[in-house]
Amino acid sequence: AQTVTQSQPEMSVQEAETVTLSCTYDTSESDYYLFWYKQPPSRQMILVIRQEAYKQQNATENRFSVNFQKAAKSFSLKISDSQLGDAAMYFCAYRSPISNFGNEKLTFGTGTRLTIIP
Amino acid sequence: GAVVSQHPSRVICKSGTSVKIECRSLDFQATTMFWYRQFPKQSLMLMATSNEGSKATYEQGVEKDKFLINHASLTLSTLTVTSAHPEDSSFYICSAREQWDQPQHFGDGTRLSIL
Repeated sequence: AQTVTQSQPEMSVQEAETVTLSCTYDTSESDYYLFWYKQPPSRQMILVIRQEAYKQQNATENRFSVNFQKAAKSFSLKISDSQLGDAAMYFCAYRSPISNFGNEKLTFGTGTRLTIIP
Repeated sequence: GAVVSQHPSRVICKSGTSVKIECRSLDFQATTMFWYRQFPKQSLMLMATSNEGSKATYEQGVEKDKFLINHASLTLSTLTVTSAHPEDSSFYICSAREQWDQPQHFGDGTRLSIL
């Protein structure tokens, strides 16, 4: 079974600075999807960014980028120019290969609570 | 795009009551919907996966007779917590996916409190 580990329960960053959230995972599969979701106090889970394991290029979405190290099974999220609205719980998630129908569930890490300091 | 609406957002009811939670995809057809449960300060735990027109697939340890899931159309799935008890109090979140290669989009969640 796949496991996802987020070793930082809480992080804080000064507004406008850069912060990196860590995520590692364990899998025996060679192809899979990785995601970062954000859960603000409103509780709605919002997709931040996703990465396909077969792609070597790191995904980027505006101020959000990932550092995907497949061999190390590491998938960190970098938030540049942090804004107050970035304050939330961030979850890293793993999804099995899309070809395995019936086994496409997301496995979430335990989350990292990010605080933005004005 | 990709909006998922979940209703109600909050329910408070007496022990023994059955509670129905709706999950709707508003601007896409969801071939697959997922139901999660989240305890305070914990991660989301998948309860079941439902595909339109077929029976839901429950995760190990989730009572299918306790948590009834219906996915009757491509835009609606319901979770019914039958004869709810205080230990069923939790935050329930649904998600929906249009195609197998698309990410899941989440609803706002339902906070269920059983007195």
